[in-house]
Amino acid sequence: DIQMTQSPSSLSASVGDRVTITCRASQSISTYLSWYQQQPGKAPKLLIYGASSLQSGVPSRFSGSGSGTDFTLTISSLQPEDFATYYCQQSYSTVATFGQGTKVEI
Amino acid sequence: QVQLQQSGPGLVKPSQTLSLTCAISGDSVSSTSVAWNWIRQSPSRGLEWLGRTYSRSKWYNDYAESVKSRITINPDTSKNQFSLQLNSVTPEDTAVYYCVRVSSLTAGYYFDYWGQGTLVTVSS
Repeated sequence: DIQMTQSPSSLSASVGDRVTITCRASQSISTYLSWYQQQPGKAPKLLIYGASSLQSGVPSRFSGSGSGTDFTLTISSLQPEDFATYYCQQSYSTVATFGQGTKVEI
Repeated sequence: QVQLQQSGPGLVKPSQTLSLTCAISGDSVSSTSVAWNWIRQSPSRGLEWLGRTYSRSKWYNDYAESVKSRITINPDTSKNQFSLQLNSVTPEDTAVYYCVRVSSLTAGYYFDYWGQGTLVTVSS
């Protein structure tokens, strides 16, 4: 299976900060990468697919970039509702695999 | 708007069978453009894809190697739902289980609608 590694595992930030999370794949996955946000006690929510396409209804402060093995999720100006855990997921293989998560804390 | 509503017991004894159901509204389990999945989440294993069912010219299933010998995912077209059965459970199967729709089966797919999640604890 394709391994997905996120960094950092957690980070502390303040409202208004620019935040960047990275995700690395164990092999090239083109742009077949999605990002999800998970609030405590809730299901993950799709933010970005195809590495950079914003899911309908997701605020434009979220953006994604990258291709091959290295990807980033950027939150341009952190809002109170953005404090959550973020996961990347590859869809190059028929077996989906996820990163271990990055917790964004106040 | 697609909604997925999960049901099933939250406590299962070791060696028994875990059974969950996912009722679909706003879409059809027989849709030929999407697939219906089960994903679980635990502190030790993270988010783990378990398997899927989907209809094309007939019904198909794909399962993760880690559970392939113990898992069955079935569609129920009369009730527009699908189910998960996981046999011979152990405490390692304790997790939050999600039913999830996936956008397609080609590379670039994404999980766009999720059920609310069911915490299943395996304990005697």
